[in-house]
Amino acid sequence: SQWGEENLQALSIQEGEDVTMNCSYKTYTTVVHWYRQDSGRGPALIILIRSNEREKRSGRLRATLDTSSQSSSLSITAAQCEDTAVYFCATDCNNNNAPRFGAGTKLTVKP
Amino acid sequence: ETAVFQTPNYHVTQVGNEVSFNCKQTLGHDTMYWYKQDSKKLLKIMFSYNNKQLIVNETVPRRFSPQSSDKAHLNLRIKSVEPEDSAVYLCASRKWGENTLYFGAGTRLSVL
Repeated sequence: SQWGEENLQALSIQEGEDVTMNCSYKTYTTVVHWYRQDSGRGPALIILIRSNEREKRSGRLRATLDTSSQSSSLSITAAQCEDTAVYFCATDCNNNNAPRFGAGTKLTVKP
Repeated sequence: ETAVFQTPNYHVTQVGNEVSFNCKQTLGHDTMYWYKQDSKKLLKIMFSYNNKQLIVNETVPRRFSPQSSDKAHLNLRIKSVEPEDSAVYLCASRKWGENTLYFGAGTRLSVL
């Protein structure tokens, strides 16, 4: 298995709280993608971090990557109800292969 | 704004029937993918094409066959569906050399 966790995780938090989602991987990657999927829609990229980066920020999002431990995290600061979605990480080594997705985290943000 | 279009949105069929799903992208990308998403939301790559050429073919049952008429279209045919084929089938595209995948909304297949 490419992934340390293959079951959908579930997190439920209150609006305004911070949250961190983790994923670990077992194969080589040049980049880690983070996608969110809203109900009834396909996943959409929200942040991407390359293997030569340790941290990447975009608005309230922060991604980290530790290639030595083969793990990545996605943090959302001051979560809002509209952050409710399923979040996936994906590894990607080159265009001859397809991005491989982890099991995902279902995040629910309550008002 | 949607730029990867999948049809149909839903399809209900019986075991043994043949189904076909369509995907078209208007982004000018040259690489397209089919992923299968199960009831636990797990996404598994099935096939990918670059400029109409098959480049990734995961271990999927032989009843699944992708079809590409040009680089903007990638269809999926399932010959003689089985109950375990019930899932959401997601089409995606990207430009060769770039990272971002763009997904369609998916086709939900229910096999009775």
